[in-house]
Amino acid sequence: GEDVEQSLFLSVREGDSSVINCTYTDSSSTYLYWYKQEPGAGLQLLTYIFSNMDMKQDQRLTVLLNKKDKHLSLRIADTQTGDSAIYFCAESIPYGNNRLAFGKGNQVVVIP
Amino acid sequence: DAGVTQSPTHLIKTRGQQVTLRCSPKSGHDTVSWYQQALGQGPQFIFQYYEEEERQRGNFPDRFSGHQFPNYSSELNVNALLLGDSALYLCASSPRMNTEAFFGQGTRLTVV
Repeated sequence: GEDVEQSLFLSVREGDSSVINCTYTDSSSTYLYWYKQEPGAGLQLLTYIFSNMDMKQDQRLTVLLNKKDKHLSLRIADTQTGDSAIYFCAESIPYGNNRLAFGKGNQVVVIP
Repeated sequence: DAGVTQSPTHLIKTRGQQVTLRCSPKSGHDTVSWYQQALGQGPQFIFQYYEEEERQRGNFPDRFSGHQFPNYSSELNVNALLLGDSALYLCASSPRMNTEAFFGQGTRLTVV
């Protein structure tokens, strides 16, 4: 079934690394995504990982996938004040043609 | 490229009324999905349109209906509005069978 869980709040100092975690339940999901939502805005696609990969790095972002435990994480290196936002992980529903199931989101607050 | 555009940005309606929200997909995208995001929650899938037909539907009542036009733009209609329909409505577009879904800024609907 479609059930994505995330922790709710993370506070991090500017320049430190931040790690956001997510668990999902549908082991047949093909892609897993991270989206960023700033106040009053829509969702910005940050990165995604194919389910047969363990890790993907994209500039300051590192995605780790543990398929056995259905655990996804997003590490943001050198966190900046502009990284303050809500981060959502999402899984693609198998055969869903980009139908996404989202977690409740994790709010990241960067302290200068 | 204007990306995914939605209109209006904000809307206030009275219980029992009907509302129409609009979405223009990103250039080159032919698949449009609609999501409802209640305050403090992750987006929930409403339905998806491709080739002017509803292809998939989430767990939403028949009061929620949609349409896709030949130019791939889409409308979301909600009849008999309830207070609980107050939410941010997000439109996402993607090329068919592509991994990346891009979201618009959303329409904030308030039902009073």
